[in-house]
Amino acid sequence: GDSVTQMEGPVTLSEEAFLTINCTYTATGYPSLFWYVQYPGEGLQLLLKATKADDKGSNKGFEATYRKETTSFHLEKGSVQVSDSAVYFCALRDLSSGSARQLTFGSGTQLTVLP
Amino acid sequence: DVKVTQSSRYLVKRTGEKVFLECVQDMDHENMFWYRQDPGLGLRLIYFSYDVKMKEKGDIPEGYSVSREKKERFSLILESASTNQTSMYLCASSLWTGGAYGYTFGSGTRLTVV
Repeated sequence: GDSVTQMEGPVTLSEEAFLTINCTYTATGYPSLFWYVQYPGEGLQLLLKATKADDKGSNKGFEATYRKETTSFHLEKGSVQVSDSAVYFCALRDLSSGSARQLTFGSGTQLTVLP
Repeated sequence: DVKVTQSSRYLVKRTGEKVFLECVQDMDHENMFWYRQDPGLGLRLIYFSYDVKMKEKGDIPEGYSVSREKKERFSLILESASTNQTSMYLCASSLWTGGAYGYTFGSGTRLTVV
């Protein structure tokens, strides 16, 4: 079945540091890929998405590129801020799978940015 | 923008009580989902529904039931609350059409069972 693997957390960075959160996937077909962010005490919000190979999703300074050859969708930001402290979830939706109506989520990565 | 509204942000209930968690979405989304989120366990799917009066069990349905009488509303029911159901509950909805659509989540309900 489909699965998403995220780098283990927690991740602690200083303000203005470069961020990478790794995400790799396995899927039956050609999934759409998503990054969600969850701020403390809140629900998840869509951060960015990509629907086909080589697409780059971007939002709020975050970027991720859909790499079919490496089955990856790593999240990056050039200069993190304290306000980026949150939990980040990678997810996929595979229309060719038996559970096409559902997203498959990674386990989440806690990011803490120190001033 | 689609909005998913969960009726309560915080709830405290007693063991054995019947608990209703309500979720309403204001777009014409077919799919609705209930998850619980616990530290170290990620998101776990409890139930989902892809049409009115339809429901499917997720990964951890035991101790829960759901109701979907109208397209916009999806209720999670704890028949007899227990302390191990203390958790953050998240509702989400999505369109069926096309893989480009992810979920829209509500703000969550933090339930404490005492």
